Formats: sequence, C-alpha cells, structure tokens
Amino acid sequence: AQSVTQLGSHVSVSEGALVLLRCNYSSSVPPYLFWYVQYPNQGLQLLLKYTTGATLVKGINGFEAEFKKSETSFHLTKPSAHMSDAAEYFCAVSDRSGSEKLVFGKGTKLTVNP
Amino acid sequence: NAGVTQTPKFRVLKTGQSMTLLCAQDMNHEYMYWYRQDPGMGLRLIHYSVGEGTTAKGEVPDGYNVSRLKKQNFLLGLESAAPSQTSVYFCASSSTGSAGSNEQFFGPGTRLTVL
Repeated sequence: AQSVTQLGSHVSVSEGALVLLRCNYSSSVPPYLFWYVQYPNQGLQLLLKYTTGATLVKGINGFEAEFKKSETSFHLTKPSAHMSDAAEYFCAVSDRSGSEKLVFGKGTKLTVNP
Repeated sequence: NAGVTQTPKFRVLKTGQSMTLLCAQDMNHEYMYWYRQDPGMGLRLIHYSVGEGTTAKGEVPDGYNVSRLKKQNFLLGLESAAPSQTSVYFCASSSTGSAGSNEQFFGPGTRLTVL
C-alpha cells in the first residue's frame, strides 16, 4: 500500500525566509504527486501537482516542488515566506490504477512570524 | 458555479442518532469522495464513487454508508453515531482523465460532534 510521510508536523519561519516542507512517499512505481493547502476553517486547495515530464513543478502563490525519484521525495519550497502563507499543507499521492484515490500525509502546519 | 458544496456546515448529535451529510457538485464530475479529517491524522478516505449508481469502500468505511443516486450528489450516512465519529468531513470531486492525475476539488467541510 502506498504511504506518504511529511517530516515535521509544525514548521515555523520568519517572514521573508525560505519555506521548505518535506514529503516522502513509498510506492513501487512513481505515483502522481500533489500538494494541497488548507487555510483555517476551509477546504483543501490544490497548490501544484506532478504527473509526468519536468520534475520541477511550479504552483500558485510562488510555491514549487521537485520530484526526485531516487530519493522518493517531493519537497515543497517557497523562496520568501509571506504572512498569508500560514496554513496547513498536505502532500498526497495517487497511484496509476485508475481509482483516482488520493493518500494524504498527516499535514504540516506552517507558522510565519513577523 | 458553486463548485462543491456541503450541508450542513455544523451538526451536534447524540450517541446512537443518525444523520445524512449531503455533498453536491456542479462541475459534472464523475468521481466523488468522502474524507474525514482528524487532528494529526491528515485526511482519510471513507467511501468514494466513480460514477452515478456506484460506490466503493475507502480506508475507513466502518460505521458509514453512502449513496450516489444522481451524478451531482453524494450522500454520507451515519446510521448510529458514535463519539469516535466526531470529526470534520470533507467531500471532494474530480473529473476522469489520466488515472489518478486529476485534481480533486474540495468542499468547505462539515464539522460533526457526537456526544
């Protein structure tokens, strides 16, 4: 069965600092990979996804993630944090079996300090 | 275009009571999902549907039933609520396409408390 591990349930950065949120997956074949963001009391919103092709994926709000097959990782980064980035971030994987199901990591709550 | 909507937004039940959560989407999506979100657990799939009239079990289906009588609606039922079902419930939908590669669109959630 597939699984997703997000290292660090809480990450705190200063405004303007680099944001790095880590995600590792376990899968026998490279899956499709997603990052979602959840603002307080809201549903989840897609930040970016990797399916095929270029391994560096750019998403909304200045975020990007790099798929590294050798490391089974899909870490999320943003060069300069903004106060509005404070939210919970979820990494998810989907296999290629046709079920369209997602398996989510447990989430990382990002705090941005002024 | 409202996307994915959920009703109700909040509900408090007593142990043993029943209720139905309604999810509606106006994007003509084939696939619909019900998740529950608990602190430190991420989102876990309860049931899902790959088309009108079909349903399938997800990771944590026990204690829940679902129905997809119309393409745009996906109902989640709790026949006899238990305190362990206190959670935030999210519905999502996605279109067909390259298997597993399509974005899931989420509703705003239903916060359920079972006393």
